Amino acid sequence: GESVGLHLPTLSVQEGDNSIINCAYSNSASDYFIWYKQESGKGPQFIIDIRSNMDKRQGQRVTVLLNKTVKHLSLQIAATQPGDSAVYFCAENLTGTASKLTFGTGTRLQVTL
Amino acid sequence: GAGVSQSPRYKVAKRGQDVALRCDPISGHVSLFWYQQALGQGPEFLTYFQNEAQLDKSGLPSDRFFAERPEGSVSTLKIQRTQQEDSAVYLCASSLGLAGDSTDTQYFGPGTRLTVL
Repeated sequence: GESVGLHLPTLSVQEGDNSIINCAYSNSASDYFIWYKQESGKGPQFIIDIRSNMDKRQGQRVTVLLNKTVKHLSLQIAATQPGDSAVYFCAENLTGTASKLTFGTGTRLQVTL
Repeated sequence: GAGVSQSPRYKVAKRGQDVALRCDPISGHVSLFWYQQALGQGPEFLTYFQNEAQLDKSGLPSDRFFAERPEGSVSTLKIQRTQQEDSAVYLCASSLGLAGDSTDTQYFGPGTRLTVL
């Protein structure tokens, strides 16, 4: 299938290790942030979200951290598995709007055995 | 239930041809979005519908791009007189459409890959 993100920054992680993917967002007025996973030939898949009134949110094997002071978002994946290999995008949404997600440039996660 | 579906999955057009890309949102989703994703980039917003009303088309790159959602469900993105720079993956997303709620999660379809020769 086609490749997504041929020239994206790449993070290589061994299976079983924890992964940390970082994202700098652009707009201090954004109040909602989402991490999406995109596999080759597929659309972005929702992973986890966080509102600006929180600084941490946990899901199953994933944690999102938000630092509004420096406009930084991170996604932590525990016990990384081969199925986690994909391109990961952070996206932000502006306060009071229900439209127009703004996506970051993405990071390719490669899980090695 | 079924997710967002898009057709065709792949489209090859000669420069100057018109194309139409279809999106079937998740049943009951009020909001529908179109994004354009160039190779190696994140998706970029094109336009947004709430039911049949096109509330934001600020991302459409030129007047050759036109989107409609006449009955508030299926949407079509039309590109007239295609050019090579239109080559990209066109993604459709839908959401429940919680009014004014920026946390309304968008769910994406698989995309249509358009190649203009």
